[in-house]
Amino acid sequence: DAGVTQSPTHLIKTRGQHVTLRCSPISGHKSVSWYQQVLGQGPQFIFQYYEKEERGRGNFPDRFSARQFPNYSSELNVNALLLGDSALYLCASSLRSLAGANVLTFGAGSRLTVL
Amino acid sequence: AQSVAQPEDQVNVAEGNPLTVKCTYSVSGNPYLFWYVQYPNRGLQFLLKYITGDNLVKGSYGFEAEFNKSQTSFHLKKPSALVSDSALYFCAVRDDTSQGGKLIFGQGTELSVKP
Repeated sequence: DAGVTQSPTHLIKTRGQHVTLRCSPISGHKSVSWYQQVLGQGPQFIFQYYEKEERGRGNFPDRFSARQFPNYSSELNVNALLLGDSALYLCASSLRSLAGANVLTFGAGSRLTVL
Repeated sequence: AQSVAQPEDQVNVAEGNPLTVKCTYSVSGNPYLFWYVQYPNRGLQFLLKYITGDNLVKGSYGFEAEFNKSQTSFHLKKPSALVSDSALYFCAVRDDTSQGGKLIFGQGTELSVKP
């Protein structure tokens, strides 16, 4: 079975531009979460979606937005990119909302560099 | 607020020796604790979790973790380290204060196992 897949794997943008990152969860998983991992730090929660509804939002500016599609795939959008947005963006899926004993399964990430 | 701390940025161990990667937590209520490992240019891989029950949790690749409520710790251990265990290790706690839940990660500990 395919794991969590993310695209693109690497991308370079300039300040002020917009970026869209994509994620396909494990088949059967209905929850998708997004995390930002800045170099040298642990991942930080950005969003969680379950059954196409936003269930949680981290402490990120409104420039960050996301959505989940009927097939449970998801997009993370970042507008007006800043140098500080350079990071590894991780998508994770789980069977249900992250309650009970559900475990997050992570993708390999999309590494964004903002110049 | 829920939090975890990994007091060591780096741990160095000789191959064949036991290893310990430390984690302490601060939660309100019952803690749901996790360990993940990250290899270079890869996403996070789940190692083990503590939800309830036995204080010694066994996980993947021979790793185990000991939950200690009185010391609010959840240290990761392995009896005999391998060079291939060299990676970045993250402790995480699930935060159920928000709908859907999210993981809060520590800063990470880089484990280096030398032959």
